[in-house]
Amino acid sequence: KAGVTQTPRYLIKTRGQQVTLSCSPISGHRSVSWYQQTPGQGLQFLFEYFSETQRNKGNFPGRFSGRQFSNSRSEMNVSTLELGDSALYLCASSLEPPTSGSSADTQYFGPGTRLTVL
Amino acid sequence: GESVGLHLPTLSVQEGDNSIINCAYSNSASDYFIWYKQESGKGPQFIIDIRSNMDKRQGQRVTVLLNKTVKHLSLQIAATQPGDSAVYFCAEIRGAQKLVFGQGTRLTINP
Repeated sequence: KAGVTQTPRYLIKTRGQQVTLSCSPISGHRSVSWYQQTPGQGLQFLFEYFSETQRNKGNFPGRFSGRQFSNSRSEMNVSTLELGDSALYLCASSLEPPTSGSSADTQYFGPGTRLTVL
Repeated sequence: GESVGLHLPTLSVQEGDNSIINCAYSNSASDYFIWYKQESGKGPQFIIDIRSNMDKRQGQRVTVLLNKTVKHLSLQIAATQPGDSAVYFCAEIRGAQKLVFGQGTRLTINP
């Protein structure tokens, strides 16, 4: 079974631009979560989608948004890019949304998209 | 605020020795904990998890210990191998069912 795939793997943008990142979950997985990883802040939760609905959102400004399609594929968007948005953006999928301890909750991560904002 | 942290940012061990990576958490209401391994250029990889109604769980060469009294979690890796070199994260399911990660510990295996 193919793992989580993310495209593109690397991206360079300039301040003020917008960007769209894509994530294809493992086949059969309906929950997709997005995380931002930076050396200073570590892994921070952005949002989680299940059945095309955003279930949870982290503490990020409204410039960060996302959506999920009927085939469970997900995209995230960042508008008006800032230098501080440079990070590794990780997508994770699971059969079911993260709850507390079911094996169906286990999140499998993709390789990430490395975004550099100049 | 968010507070799942690691006691040491780096850990170096000799190949073949056992490694112990520690993690402290602050939310006593958290009831599910996970350890992830992240190798360079890759996303985090699930290693092992534990629920709060357990204090120990074993996997292949790995053991997770949970001490709810002091809100402490540890990952023990037996007979470490070069392939174990990575950054290890503890994470917890906390409120609103989101995963909260610690800062990570870099494990280096010396030959």
